[in-house]
Amino acid sequence: DGGITQSPKYLFRKEGQNVTLSCEQNLNHDAMYWYRQDPGQGLRLIYYSQIVNDFQKGDIAEGYSVSREKKESFPLTVTSAQKNPTAFYLCASSKGRERRTDTQYFGPGTRLTVL
Amino acid sequence: GESVGLHLPTLSVQEGDNSIINCAYSNSASDYFIWYKQESGKGPQFIIDIRSNMDKRQGQRVTVLLNKTVKHLSLQIAATQPGDSAVYFCAEILFHGSSNTGKLIFGQGTTLQVKP
Repeated sequence: DGGITQSPKYLFRKEGQNVTLSCEQNLNHDAMYWYRQDPGQGLRLIYYSQIVNDFQKGDIAEGYSVSREKKESFPLTVTSAQKNPTAFYLCASSKGRERRTDTQYFGPGTRLTVL
Repeated sequence: GESVGLHLPTLSVQEGDNSIINCAYSNSASDYFIWYKQESGKGPQFIIDIRSNMDKRQGQRVTVLLNKTVKHLSLQIAATQPGDSAVYFCAEILFHGSSNTGKLIFGQGTTLQVKP
């Protein structure tokens, strides 16, 4: 997992509530990412950020929001607008800066369950 | 289309044997490929990478082979151990047009089961 931490490890939410997942990295990486993984599936990109105070939508951004106020932190909010939020959420970071061989390193993940 | 897929969802091998996990990708413009290992309930762990200008790269007990002619990638694990049991994903980095950020595209994953 390197220097990427996610919290909490398990999160339970009632329908209609917003929840925020934490992601912190101490690798001095510029770029950070959020992915969603469903059982038996690969990873799908939710949002990514190349630099502080900037972020872009990924493939499945609807119902999610992010912020990037600090280089080390990239929190993800799962809003009540997300129709099927139960999933395993993974945060990643990379050196960024337009490197064409930019390896992403992942955190341990947060498993969100909507009750 | 954009997709990176794996040939087999599950691979079962005997401890000590060599394992070969295959992956077919569809985008011939991809520059870079990565293999990740994901254990149950954990995040993907980087194993090895390879650039498109290479055919082969070796790590510790692992080798990645890239065949650009048929757009095929494979991961070979020597002397497979019980600790190698996990889901293995191949991924490619794809740049769209003028975008400066590489999009990591993952395949579905192959589950490696090591029998003692």
